[in-house]
Amino acid sequence: EVQLLESGENLVQPGGSLRLSCVASGFIFGSYAMAWVRQAPGKGLEWVSVISDSGDITYYADSVKGRFTISRDNSKNTLYLQMNSLRAEDTAVYYCAKGRASVVAAASNYWGQGTLVTVSS
Amino acid sequence: DIQMTQSPSSLSASVGDRVTITCRASQGISKYLAWYQQKPGKVPKLLIYAASTLQSGVPSRFSGSGSGTDFTLTISSLQPEDVATYYCQKYNSAPQTFGQGTKVEIK
Repeated sequence: EVQLLESGENLVQPGGSLRLSCVASGFIFGSYAMAWVRQAPGKGLEWVSVISDSGDITYYADSVKGRFTISRDNSKNTLYLQMNSLRAEDTAVYYCAKGRASVVAAASNYWGQGTLVTVSS
Repeated sequence: DIQMTQSPSSLSASVGDRVTITCRASQGISKYLAWYQQKPGKVPKLLIYAASTLQSGVPSRFSGSGSGTDFTLTISSLQPEDVATYYCQKYNSAPQTFGQGTKVEIK
């Protein structure tokens, strides 16, 4: 059974940093692209970032480019999202999602339960 | 960047009705289009990928069609458990933008 377990809820001040983790199980983690998608309270889904199976290809939404960094450790079956210079508008539930393929151009067929990030003073 | 526009934003239909949701890309994306279902308080679920391929385990009343810029998600016979918000997503290239969502309710 595929499982994606994100780190717990987080409260951080504006301008602060946070690293999210997503531990995967139930599939060969190093064979699939992974993504982060967020959802602000009461809003729709917003794609954040994607990384290829090996980690050598990454892409970001303009809203987070230069502030967020996606990475992965295939030896630990873990996906990361390093978030710097956080803003109030980054407040959202962050989902990690497994791609259907190794390449980044793939739909996401499994999603974690999500972790709430609140940016507030 | 390519924009994804869904219509309608919301709809109300009776059980058993045929429901159609449209997603339009501002530029051609071939068949790199997915549809997701998000029930209230739940995690998004993949319904369809490659515009028309049904994800394993998804009921056959869901179907997708289209290519290029115009895509459609159809529920052939709406069921109470289909109450949800539906999103399209392009994934041919970054940014892998989602549509704004279509909320489906039972009349």
